[in-house]
Amino acid sequence: NAGVMQNPRHLVRRRGQEARLRCSPMKGHSHVYWYRQLPEEGLKFMVYLQKENIIDESGMPKERFSAEFPKEGPSILRIQQVVRGDSAAYFCASSSSTSGGGVYEQYFGPGTRLTVT
Amino acid sequence: GEDVEQSLFLSVREGDSSVINCTYTDSSSTYLYWYKQEPGAGLQLLTYIFSNMDMKQDQRLTVLLNKKDKHLSLRIADTQTGDSAIYFCAESPGGYQKVTFGTGTKLQVIP
Repeated sequence: NAGVMQNPRHLVRRRGQEARLRCSPMKGHSHVYWYRQLPEEGLKFMVYLQKENIIDESGMPKERFSAEFPKEGPSILRIQQVVRGDSAAYFCASSSSTSGGGVYEQYFGPGTRLTVT
Repeated sequence: GEDVEQSLFLSVREGDSSVINCTYTDSSSTYLYWYKQEPGAGLQLLTYIFSNMDMKQDQRLTVLLNKKDKHLSLRIADTQTGDSAIYFCAESPGGYQKVTFGTGTKLQVIP
């Protein structure tokens, strides 16, 4: 059973370009979370999605950032007009529709490291 | 808002015990977690504890929770070089809600 897949693993963009980060959740998981990790910091929650719905986007910057999780295909985190401050590792996590003893464990992907030059 | 604090660095000798400490502010935290991150990798859930528990033991790992002081610790017995990683304390109110992470403690194990 493959884990959470993210691609690309490394992405380099020039200022002003668009970055598209993809996340395929674990098989059978319908809940996806995106987190951002700035250098030397912990992970910060960005957005929580279920299929075709954004459930909680309280951690998403108001401009330039968007996320989707379509009925078919991976979840996409899109950053328009990237700036140097967007350079970070972006992690996706997924969880199952059923919990193990009440713990809705989030399984993390390996992350996409975005570098803005 | 929620806040989770950890010391940044811990160095121990191989075979000794490691204790990583964490404090949190959100009194509605229901689940408290410890995650491990190895270089260039994602996060791996090591263990978790419910807020109504004081202690949980899982092989070499012992989690202690002082709910009154909002203090959580992770003890790793007989620390090995393979335990070298960054350890994140985290909390959530439960269910499918977001997880709030600390800044991470980098554990260095000296052979």
